[in-house]
Amino acid sequence: DAGITQSPRHKVTETGTPVTLRCHQTENHRYMYWYRQDPGHGLRLIHYSYGVKDTDKGEVSDGYSVSRSKTEDFLLTLESATSSQTSVYFCAISQTDTLNTEAFFGQGTRLTVV
Amino acid sequence: SQQGEEDPQALSIQEGENATMNCSYKTSINNLQWYRQNSGRGLVHLILIRSNEREKHSGRLRVTLDTSKKSSSLLITASRAADTASYFCAGYGSARQLTFGSGTQLTVLP
Repeated sequence: DAGITQSPRHKVTETGTPVTLRCHQTENHRYMYWYRQDPGHGLRLIHYSYGVKDTDKGEVSDGYSVSRSKTEDFLLTLESATSSQTSVYFCAISQTDTLNTEAFFGQGTRLTVV
Repeated sequence: SQQGEEDPQALSIQEGENATMNCSYKTSINNLQWYRQNSGRGLVHLILIRSNEREKHSGRLRVTLDTSKKSSSLLITASRAADTASYFCAGYGSARQLTFGSGTQLTVLP
């Protein structure tokens, strides 16, 4: 899976608790992305990064924050988890802007907020 | 908001038949990409077609793009049971990022 590791792969957490998901890549790709996948919605972009410390919001960024202190790591934090954030979260990477290239996806993290 | 809408939402065919999936998108795009997702796995890139291209082939895959109709199609020829998966189109447009449709679930029966 293109050298992308997501951790944890599964997590159950309680409403109101903070949660951090990690994406680690070994490809030295500049761009990294966090998507969530929900039935009937396909994949929706949460946040993305175009370099170390360079991040921007996606379509569904409310309630999420990200950080990228190293090229290889992109962290997604749910500041105070809610049941609506129960989803499967995918990290993706691309060498350049996806205007010109494809994205590679991790295996996903299934998050359940109870 | 989704850039692409796939049609049909679900498709079931016999092994050896061709499978055609359609994608319609809302706004202008610079490229359109197709991805496959096997159950419980991440997405895998299949093909990228640019806005100035009309057709592209890759193995058993044929993709067409009609920018005037804002639509694309993915044809899988001589389908196999291993082609069973969900297929997503994703457009790169004014949002400057890929925006995915909700997908077509393809089932190929042996």
